[in-house]
Amino acid sequence: KQEVTQIPAALSVPEGENLVLNCSFTDSAIYNLQWFRQDPGKGLTSLLLIQSSQREQTSGRLNASLDKSSGRSTLYIAASQPGDSATYLCAVGSGGGADGLTFGKGTHLIIQP
Amino acid sequence: SAVISQKPSRDICQRGTSLTIQCQVDSQVTMMFWYRQQPGQSLTLIATANQGSEATYESGFVIDKFPISRPNLTFSTLTVSNLSPEDSSIYLCSVLQGNSPLHFGNGTRLTVT
Repeated sequence: KQEVTQIPAALSVPEGENLVLNCSFTDSAIYNLQWFRQDPGKGLTSLLLIQSSQREQTSGRLNASLDKSSGRSTLYIAASQPGDSATYLCAVGSGGGADGLTFGKGTHLIIQP
Repeated sequence: SAVISQKPSRDICQRGTSLTIQCQVDSQVTMMFWYRQQPGQSLTLIATANQGSEATYESGFVIDKFPISRPNLTFSTLTVSNLSPEDSSIYLCSVLQGNSPLHFGNGTRLTVT
């Protein structure tokens, strides 16, 4: 059974810092990996999707990497802003995408103005 | 990307009653999933909603408690039956189109009194 772990569970940093969120998974036979953002009281917003054949994806100030063999992914946020404050969730897909996603517990990020 | 409308956004229900949650998508999608997010926890997959047939349930979830319908490729309902306080959670609909990222509705926040 796939298990996804995210470290740290919470992080508070001053505005402007670059930061890294970590995600690890136990079964390397994944189909894809997705990073989401969840704001309080709201649904999930997809940030980046990495297919199993890819090593990284970038969107604006966000960069996500994937190392399938070691079961790790990182989300890099450059020049953090207070608006980046949210919970960031890592989720792993298997079964060709038809099996849904297995989620980590998330990293609660606070960017101090 | 698909636009997902989930209703109701929140509800307060009495113990022993049932709540039906609707998920409407603005385009035909390949897969529809239902997730639960218990307080302070990450998301757990309840089931895959299959068009025109019985849903596929994950371990720990049963049809009698969580009946699901998917009459067509754009609509699904999840019913949470015989409610108890332990069912207080956020329930989220998600959809998958081909190799696109998994997209989520805004969720239904259920409180059972």
